[in-house]
Amino acid sequence: DAKTTQPPSMDCAEGRAANLPCNHSTISGNEYVYWYRQIHSQGPQYIIHGLKNNETNEMASLIITEDRKSSTLILPHATLRDTAVYYCIVTRGATNKLIFGTGTLLAVQP
Amino acid sequence: DAMVIQNPRYQVTQFGKPVTLSCSQTLNHNVMYWYQQKSSQAPKLLFHYYDKDFNNEADTPDNFQSRRPNTSFCFLDIRSPGLGDTAMYLCATSRELGELFFGSGTQLSVL
Repeated sequence: DAKTTQPPSMDCAEGRAANLPCNHSTISGNEYVYWYRQIHSQGPQYIIHGLKNNETNEMASLIITEDRKSSTLILPHATLRDTAVYYCIVTRGATNKLIFGTGTLLAVQP
Repeated sequence: DAMVIQNPRYQVTQFGKPVTLSCSQTLNHNVMYWYQQKSSQAPKLLFHYYDKDFNNEADTPDNFQSRRPNTSFCFLDIRSPGLGDTAMYLCATSRELGELFFGSGTQLSVL
């Protein structure tokens, strides 16, 4: 599975959009981009995933570049409850084995 | 509403004393996973079951075993816990394709 690179930490003001980047320059054609988050002392929670096209759900939007070498997770109106570690994971669609990287600690400030 | 349930939430055991952690699910998913997460680290996959087929990760120590007696339940057995096995243990489930659903974890302390 392709390796991902994320900034270790980011800050965001409450009510503003949080844009979390992820680089996955070695991604191959059949690999999906998944985003999970982990609030302190809880299990990880699925957010969104995509293959080529941009995706949106009730939690977030996922923007994947045309060459698929990077992506951005967008939380449109961050709240204090969005403070968590966000993991970007690239995995083949044929298996759900998730290999977690180091993630980005997003701190939403009041 | 809990869909992936892990018991107990906190477990303390002594060095070398076998311990079993349990996980149950109400989602009827055919894949179940065990992850280990040490303090300030990312979760690390130990093994997973695809139906009854057991799949071990190459670097999972022999000290860690698992059992899945039926679709709903999965157990993690640590035969001789060491101090380095202190960690959060996370159970997750999924269908063949699609997202993973995680439990809240069991925090294991080895003294």
